Amino acid sequence: EDQVTQSPEALRLQEGESSSLNCSYTVSGLRGLFWYRQDPGKGPEFLFTLYSAGEEKEKERLKATLTKKESFLHITAPKPEDSATYLCAVPRYSSASKIIFGSGTRLSIRP
Amino acid sequence: NAGVMQNPRHLVRRRGQEARLRCSPMKGHSHVYWYRQLPEEGLKFMVYLQKENIIDESGMPKERFSAEFPKEGPSILRIQQVVRGDSAAYFCASSPPSSGDNEQFFGPGTRLTVL
Repeated sequence: EDQVTQSPEALRLQEGESSSLNCSYTVSGLRGLFWYRQDPGKGPEFLFTLYSAGEEKEKERLKATLTKKESFLHITAPKPEDSATYLCAVPRYSSASKIIFGSGTRLSIRP
Repeated sequence: NAGVMQNPRHLVRRRGQEARLRCSPMKGHSHVYWYRQLPEEGLKFMVYLQKENIIDESGMPKERFSAEFPKEGPSILRIQQVVRGDSAAYFCASSPPSSGDNEQFFGPGTRLTVL
């Protein structure tokens, strides 16, 4: 069964303390892996799409990487405004329109 | 370019009433998706629509829930005879017609509270 698991559930960091969020996936054939950011009371905001193992994408302090079984979202020298829930998602192989979301990692950056 | 728009942002209904949630996709997007997010849970796919067609409704509850995307106007998610368990945030997303990337862009959501 297609599945997406994110860890940790919650992560508290000091401002400037770099770390990584994990997303492991099980899907018959990967048609892309998405990262979203969601702030409280708002809709998910699209960040990245990754398609193949070894691919990397960057945006400001965030870098997403992909292997055959998992993806990492690395955050370098985070700031308090990076606090949010980060969601990972993959389309089902059988129906690319149906995206499966992980339960997210709640990231909190203390000043 | 305006993003995905949803209204109302907050909706309060009493048990047994009907709830109608509206979604206007991004300009140029013809694919619409509805998701439900329960408190402390992840986003769950409900339905995928194109203009005048339901493409995939495998995530929709069999009873009381329906969705449409007419030729003109917004997409509507309709919940009849609401119950307390329907309280959740409902998000709409859209994607362009030839979305080989499968990327979906989300609206701000409608938070439904059933009293």
